[in-house]
This record gives sequence, C-alpha cells and structure tokens, in this order.
Amino acid sequence: GAGVSQSPSNKVTEKGKDVELRCDPISGHTALYWYRQRLGQGLEFLIYFQGNSAPDKSGLPSDRFSAERTGESVSTLTIQRTQQEDSAVYLCASSQWEAAIGNTIYFGEGSWLTVV
Amino acid sequence: AQSVTQLDSQVPVFEEAPVELRCNYSSSVSVYLFWYVQYPNQGLQLLLKYLSGSTLVKGINGFEAEFNKSQTSFHLRKPSVHISDTAEYFCAVSGSKAAGNKLTFGGGTRVLVKP
Repeated sequence: GAGVSQSPSNKVTEKGKDVELRCDPISGHTALYWYRQRLGQGLEFLIYFQGNSAPDKSGLPSDRFSAERTGESVSTLTIQRTQQEDSAVYLCASSQWEAAIGNTIYFGEGSWLTVV
Repeated sequence: AQSVTQLDSQVPVFEEAPVELRCNYSSSVSVYLFWYVQYPNQGLQLLLKYLSGSTLVKGINGFEAEFNKSQTSFHLRKPSVHISDTAEYFCAVSGSKAAGNKLTFGGGTRVLVKP
C-alpha cells in the first residue's frame, strides 16, 4: 500500500480481555516500530523489528505486551489481560533500513484502544 | 541514552503571528533531529529533519528549525502561522544506525492558532 496501514482504527474492550492490533508497513520497508501515545502525552517506544534480527523489546511495559512480525511484512501487537491504563493510541511506523542514517520514519494513523 | 524536552506543552498564537517551539535534547552520541506534526485525528508526518551540514533546516509548510549543538537545541519556527497550523508538534532524536534509527520523542507542544 501507499502508507502504513493499521487495524482496527478503534477498539473498545473490557478489562481483562486480550486484544490484537495489526500493522501493515509500507512495502519494501524493513524496519517496523510500535509506539504508544497516551492521552495528552508524548510517544512512548514499545518495540522495533529489523529484518530477521532479534527485535528490540526494551520499551514493552510489561509481559502482558508482545509483538510478532512475519518476515518483512505484517506485525501484530498483542495485549493480554488488558487494564484501563492500556487505553491509548497505538502507532505503528516503518522505514527503509538501507536508507541513510536518519531516514524518515512513516507512521500509520494509529489504533485507538479504550479499555472499559 | 537519549532524551528530548519540549519546554512548552501548549502555545496559543494569533493568526499571522510568528511562533517558536522549543526543543532541547541530550545524547551521548551524534544525533539526528526531527520535527513531526500531528494534525487533529491524523497520523504523524515529518515536517523536517537535521542530519548534517547547514544548521538551518527548512521543512514543509513554511517551517524551519535551527540546530544548535552548543545549546543542544533544535527549535522550530514559522514567521507567520495559519489556522491550519493548529496541531501537535513533536521533536524527536535518533542516535545511531545500530539503534535502528529508533526515535525518542519529546512530550509534544500543542499549537492553537486563533483568528
């Protein structure tokens, strides 16, 4: 596709349920990132994938959070046993690894998660 | 480690007035600096970036930013704002290719342009 695509765009879930958020990066982009943006706050790094290398999971806030990526394509962020503090916009982004250092990272429009 | 501080959480400004959004960073390595904009109900898009060379960087929509290494700053400016510039602006830094160009963001500055 032309841009980073995320689904669902909005999700309301009950506390304790599991949710899956999907990201389809720009074709040819080998790097993929997940960020979280809580209401009124900045972006918080969650996890980064680069090709077949081990992902950088240093930003995941707890073991309830996990993410997978198949090759250089779709990624899924899973939140288990959701809590109200998980309510946020989850942003996916992708970039070309082979581009010069400091290459542009392109963001999707986000998945709005509300835990009630 | 890297960090970014945006000193103003909100900036109200009248239409056609100038605006400056402040950004300071800290990093143990050479940095690459970015400004992203998030319009209401939209995703983030790149305004401009500094990689090397001239310290004055021009971006889209009439914005520019100046990299000041001694003051570790990358302030964003526009000489005359429009109503359509109402948005949230994020400063970000990345440090090295080994870090995967991972961006560290500031807390954002919400700009409200008033008629």
